[in-house]
Amino acid sequence: DIVMTQSPDSLTVSPGERATINCKSSQTVLYSSNNKNYLAWYQQKPGQPPKLLISWASTRESGVPDRFSGSGSGTDFTLTISSLQAEDVAVYYCQQYYSTPQTFGQGTNLEIK
Amino acid sequence: HVQLQQSGPGLVKPSQTLSLTCAISGDSVSSNSAAWSWIRKSPSRGLEWLARTYYRSKWYFDYAISVKSRITINPDTSKNQFSLQLNSVTPEDATVYYCARQSYNSAWFPFDYWGHGTLVTVSS
Repeated sequence: DIVMTQSPDSLTVSPGERATINCKSSQTVLYSSNNKNYLAWYQQKPGQPPKLLISWASTRESGVPDRFSGSGSGTDFTLTISSLQAEDVAVYYCQQYYSTPQTFGQGTNLEIK
Repeated sequence: HVQLQQSGPGLVKPSQTLSLTCAISGDSVSSNSAAWSWIRKSPSRGLEWLARTYYRSKWYFDYAISVKSRITINPDTSKNQFSLQLNSVTPEDATVYYCARQSYNSAWFPFDYWGHGTLVTVSS
């Protein structure tokens, strides 16, 4: 199984500041035949299911604010929130869908200062 | 617009079978461009994918090794839904269960639609 490891486990950021979450996979999730990284980011708020924010490591889903961005390739990835808003308080997960079983990172709890 | 509506008991006795159903609207359980999964979230294991089914001229089933001996995912084309059965439950199985959809278009996509979640308690 591909192990996904996020850092940090928790993060406190002031409103308007940048938040950065890292995700590392135990093996590559870059598929050489199509040069796509099979890496997604989700946001989960209390009492709600996870919400897909970013797929293919850097493609924002429709309706996701552009302050959310994803980067990275191979085994190292980053989710950046450029200017933290109060509504961004949530737990964030990375997930690889390169191989079965599809696996998630342990989550990063993002709080506002 | 796809919607997934979960149903099933929230209380299961130890050693009994957990049964949940996910009703699909806006898509088809037998779509050639989708797959249907069960995922759970627990404090100890985080988000854990459990099982998936999809139709590509025949039905396919994938299971997580951790539960493979106890789990069944079943599509029901007559009701456009799919179900989860987890046998011999223990307190470790007490957590929130989600159903979710994955698209396929020459490649698998991530989980784009999720059910609301069902909290399952294991207690006698």
